[in-house]
Amino acid sequence: DTGVSQDPRHKITKRGQNVTFRCDPISEHNRLYWYRQTLGQGPEFLTYFQNEAQLEKSRLLSDRFSAERPKGSFSTLEIQRTEQGDSAMYLCASSLVFGYTEAFFGQGTRLTVV
Amino acid sequence: QKEVEQNSGPLSVPEGAIASLNCTYSDRGSQSFFWYRQYSGKSPELIMSIYSNGDKEDGRFTAQLNKASQYVSLLIRDSQPSDSATYLCAVDTNKLIFGAGTRLAVHP
Repeated sequence: DTGVSQDPRHKITKRGQNVTFRCDPISEHNRLYWYRQTLGQGPEFLTYFQNEAQLEKSRLLSDRFSAERPKGSFSTLEIQRTEQGDSAMYLCASSLVFGYTEAFFGQGTRLTVV
Repeated sequence: QKEVEQNSGPLSVPEGAIASLNCTYSDRGSQSFFWYRQYSGKSPELIMSIYSNGDKEDGRFTAQLNKASQYVSLLIRDSQPSDSATYLCAVDTNKLIFGAGTRLAVHP
């Protein structure tokens, strides 16, 4: 296992289209996070899973965003009816829950909405 | 009040100097604290973790934690131009929350 993997690395979509991103965490990690990052800002928390359970979703997150983690393995983040303001880097990270809880990031998916 | 606060910088230091980066957090129940380095256009890379009060050293990096003051810091000794990046403080408050980051510029 070489780390957290995200796909695709880049996505250009037209406003109003739906997009889906995938994250494959480090295999033994049971916690998985999604963040959004725009230029000059820190990663903004979107949601996180512990195994297959989605434990929290940001109150700032629009209903257009949904995430799943079936069977507690990979996760998908879907954005429906994209808007130009959704343009950002979407980052996934994974960690253990107990003990050393360092989170490791994937390379991110850069979304551009035109 | 933001959950994790950092000065945005830029913090400019000469090569060979000590860079000092600071972070405060609001949740007194936080147990785990992390520093990440992020180069422009790349994803964050973990450089230090600290779980108990005091200092933790790893090479040129020292993390300091003071839970009573809700304060975390990162010292970088013998700063190099390759250390120029944004440094992100992260706090585990049952979920991992990041500050906005401090931009560090090390000039020759």
